[in-house]
Amino acid sequence: DTAVSQTPKYLVTQMGNDKSIKCEQNLGHDTMYWYKQDSKKFLKIMFSYNNKELIINETVPNRFSPKSPDKAHLNLHINSLELGDSAVYFCASSPIGGSSYNEQFFGPGTRLTVL
Amino acid sequence: AQSVTQPDIHITVSEGASLELRCNYSYGATPYLFWYVQSPGQGLQLLLKYFSGDTLVQGIKGFEAEFKRSQSSFNLRKPSVHWSDAAEYFCAVAVPRGAAGNKLTFGGGTRVLVKP
Repeated sequence: DTAVSQTPKYLVTQMGNDKSIKCEQNLGHDTMYWYKQDSKKFLKIMFSYNNKELIINETVPNRFSPKSPDKAHLNLHINSLELGDSAVYFCASSPIGGSSYNEQFFGPGTRLTVL
Repeated sequence: AQSVTQPDIHITVSEGASLELRCNYSYGATPYLFWYVQSPGQGLQLLLKYFSGDTLVQGIKGFEAEFKRSQSSFNLRKPSVHWSDAAEYFCAVAVPRGAAGNKLTFGGGTRVLVKP
């Protein structure tokens, strides 16, 4: 009974291609996130969606477009892939709780390699 | 904006020895504080968290962390390390923003190597 799942686990592609990474959570959470972990293990948030609405959009190239068909899914589409996009991408989810912080649960990650 | 510093990039410790990982944060008030562990090729697992109250918090796998407001620190400790503790450890902070969403800010990570 996986809580936050991502597909694929590994993705190898050529520069210039368009690719998508899928994320699904079965925790009933309202908020979902995408994080990027670069080659030096540095983790940084990219996006956050709450009930299909974009609420956090960090400084990310517009080649990256998150799409949330429903609150259990948050997919990441990347256009015109570049070498620098090679990284591990983590999806996470959390409940929404007003002014309090709610723990984020992470998926296993998708390792994207751009050749 | 908040920031997190983990001064040690690598730490090597012998199995059975104690471990302490340092974490310092920068924020105007007390943020929410977390330690995550990432085993090789794996996702992130929450070890423990501090929101308020007792400044010494217990987590999973025998880890504990102590919040020190005066030092803006949240150091992670384990009295006796097991070989399975070899992993990357991340300190993170979050500032609740209500409907604006919660954003975790991570430190650069500390890689722990365990010698037999």
